Amino acid sequence: DVQLVESGGGLVQPGGSLRLSCAASGFTFTTYAMNWVRRAPGKGLEWVSGITGSGATTLYADSVKGRFSISRDNSERTLYLQMHSLRAEDTAVYHCVLQKTGFTNSPFDNWGRGSLVTVSS
Amino acid sequence: SYELTQPPSVSVSPGQTASISCSGDKLGDKFVCWYHQRPGQSPELLIYQDNKRPSGIPERFSGSNSGNTATLTISGTQAMDEADYYCQTWDSSAAVFGGGTKLTVL
Repeated sequence: DVQLVESGGGLVQPGGSLRLSCAASGFTFTTYAMNWVRRAPGKGLEWVSGITGSGATTLYADSVKGRFSISRDNSERTLYLQMHSLRAEDTAVYHCVLQKTGFTNSPFDNWGRGSLVTVSS
Repeated sequence: SYELTQPPSVSVSPGQTASISCSGDKLGDKFVCWYHQRPGQSPELLIYQDNKRPSGIPERFSGSNSGNTATLTISGTQAMDEADYYCQTWDSSAAVFGGGTKLTVL
């Protein structure tokens, strides 16, 4: 079975940095694109970033472009999200998400339980 | 940027049919997915490519997409279907979600 387990969330001050990790198992990690999708308190889902299986192509939402960086270590089966210049509006649960059938124009097939990031002084 | 619009809330009686709309400019030219998120759980894919169901998703969930509107239909709604529902598509290499619809089963 697919398992996606996020870690690295916590409380950080505005302007600070944090790195999220997602440990993947139950599928051939190098084959598939991976994404981060967040949900802020009282708000809906928001796609944050995606990366192809090889890591060659990365995409970002306009709201995080230039501040967040997605990467993956295929040998460790781990997805990362490096977040800098964090703002209060980045407060959310961040989900690690697997795409099984492509990248752009493909569905988000499997979701992790999420890691809570709180940006507050 | 591209926007998807959903009604904030929909109510339905148990056993009845619920319909949730999702509107966007020329949405019928794009593929639409639907997800639901029950309280305390992770989101789950319900429908992809407008009307296809992943394995394990009950037949009572169906989707359509034409013109500017996609629709998720839940037939024989059950209490366990009470959740937040989201439509999603891709535009200019960015994934876009609708604002979400809270389905209440009265």
